[in-house]
Order: sequence, then C-alpha cells, then structure tokens
Amino acid sequence: DAGITQSPRYKITETGRQVTLMCHQTWSHSYMFWYRQDLGHGLRLIYYSAAADITDKGEVPDGYVVSRSKTENFPLTLESATRSQTSVYFCASISNVLNNYGYTFGSGTRLTVV
Amino acid sequence: KQEVTQIPAALSVPEGENLVLNCSFTDSAIYNLQWFRQDPGKGLTSLLLIQSSQREQTSGRLNASLDKSSGRSTLYIAASQPGDSATYLCAVMDNYGQNFVFGPGTRLSVLP
Repeated sequence: DAGITQSPRYKITETGRQVTLMCHQTWSHSYMFWYRQDLGHGLRLIYYSAAADITDKGEVPDGYVVSRSKTENFPLTLESATRSQTSVYFCASISNVLNNYGYTFGSGTRLTVV
Repeated sequence: KQEVTQIPAALSVPEGENLVLNCSFTDSAIYNLQWFRQDPGKGLTSLLLIQSSQREQTSGRLNASLDKSSGRSTLYIAASQPGDSATYLCAVMDNYGQNFVFGPGTRLSVLP
C-alpha cells in the first residue's frame, strides 16, 4: 500500500541497548521527519531530512542518530537507550515544505525502555 | 522561539453542538498552519492546512480561520458527532520551512 509505514508498532528494550525504528514512505517525498510525543510536552522534532544524505537536528536530537541513504527510508537509532527515551515516535513526510498539502504522519512506534 | 498553545485543554459537548477550538502562537512569522486530528493510540490525520496568505479553509463540517497578525487560529466544528471525539492539534511552520511546532492539543469528547 502507498503511504508511510513505521515499524515496529511496539518495542520494549532494556537500558543501554541499541534500537532502530524504521520509517518507509512510498511517495518519494523529499522531506522526512522524526517526532516524539510525550505527555506534557506534545510533539517535538528530533531530526529531519531534506533529501537523501541530508539530515539536520531538531529540538531534541541528543541520544539519537539518523541516516537517509535512500529517499524512501529514514531510520532512527537510539544508540544507548535510556528510560527518558520511552515515548511514542512518529515519522512524517512531505513532498516540499512549502507546498499546499502539509504533513503526512505514520501510525507511530510506542517504545518502552526498561 | 515559537510557542503554540491551545485552549481549552479538554472539552466535552453533547452531540449536535457547534464548537470552536482555539490555537495561539507567539511568532507571527509563519508560513502555514495545519490542524490535525489524533485518535487514541493512533497517528495524526491532517484536517486542514492554511497558508499564511489565507484567512480560512473549509472541509465539510470543519472550518479553520487564521489571523496571523494576532497569532490566532480557530477550528470550528459544526453539528458535532460522537465520531468527532479525538484530540485536535494545531501546528505552525516557520518561514524557513524547517520546523513545525505543535500545540499540546485539545481533547474533545462528543457525547451521544
């Protein structure tokens, strides 16, 4: 199906482990984004990418790494997971940030770090 | 730094009522504003996008207005239905097109 898909939907990991959240979109959108959603903080931007091999930090990038070797994929890696990274993570994409259609979001990954 | 607030934080209304959700932002230098709906445990669904040069957008029973100079947007829902129950978020994009700042959301319950 066309769209933006995230995997896994749910993940439990231990403190200190490395974990990668996947995001795949089928529209060939240029821009992709990773947000985390927490009670009391709303949605906050972690990293974004304007094109393949171009990434930049958002509001809360510490502890996260991203890569974008292909336009359609934008994985988010927690190099050494901490309990403060327990959150719901959303991936989003847009063809052009200045277009008329806005963002499209994935269904999210609920990550629990124990 | 752009800050987005939404009032009220939660709202409960009987079915059939018209209602207004409010969104305020501190920096009027925005490129566009987008309203989203989020159902529990789900992702965000785009409802309406208003460019900074526009005053309002309509889609079905939804109407969103934008007053950039005063830093405000409203989402009007006509003839509310139980299926409208969800959290509604507004988000503004800065003029550089690099960051979308979200409000905390308004949790709406429409009672049958």
